[in-house]
Amino acid sequence: EAQVTQNPRYLITVTGKKLTVTCSQNMNHEYMSWYRQDPGLGLRQIYYSMNVEVTDKGDVPEGYKVSRKEKRNFPLILESPSPNQTSLYFCASSWRMNTEAFFGQGTRLTVV
Amino acid sequence: AQSVTQPDIHITVSEGASLELRCNYSYGATPYLFWYVQSPGQGLQLLLKYFSGDTLVQGIKGFEAEFKRSQSSFNLRKPSVHWSDAAEYFCAVADQAGTALIFGKGTTLSVSS
Repeated sequence: EAQVTQNPRYLITVTGKKLTVTCSQNMNHEYMSWYRQDPGLGLRQIYYSMNVEVTDKGDVPEGYKVSRKEKRNFPLILESPSPNQTSLYFCASSWRMNTEAFFGQGTRLTVV
Repeated sequence: AQSVTQPDIHITVSEGASLELRCNYSYGATPYLFWYVQSPGQGLQLLLKYFSGDTLVQGIKGFEAEFKRSQSSFNLRKPSVHWSDAAEYFCAVADQAGTALIFGKGTTLSVSS
């Protein structure tokens, strides 16, 4: 089954404790990206990757890092999480970014 | 800058009634347009997309949308709403660089019996 898998689905952490949210897709897509969803703001892109070892900032990259060492994986790293990063995070993949994107189930992160 | 506007934050429709969710976009060239649905606790699922050609596009679950260039709109419609359609709906446009989807802020649909 074609899918984008994120882990964990839910995470509560403390300010400053490094964390990684994993994302994996099995569709051999070149493009992957991370979005955060906040009430009243819709989805905003954090980072995207056009291919292995090619990543770039989206609209709200501050406080986040990503890596793309393999085509299928695109982890999101919060080196020092802060409460304003409490949000619902989605990973997405697509053949190209202006084609339809397939989304993971989401990771609800709470930073206290 | 590109943008997507969904004027209605929340809509309530009776089961069996028709539905129209509004979407307006700001984009210089021919846009790539999408509608996604997000059920509670779920990810986003693509309902339909418009790239070119016929301006009335059919999607899954009985939804359709009409692209109107003159009005910069891409409204989503369904002739008869089911209770299972209650969800949040997002309109999106692919940005000019082809690196992101620009989303509207979403419309929450409630279905009353």
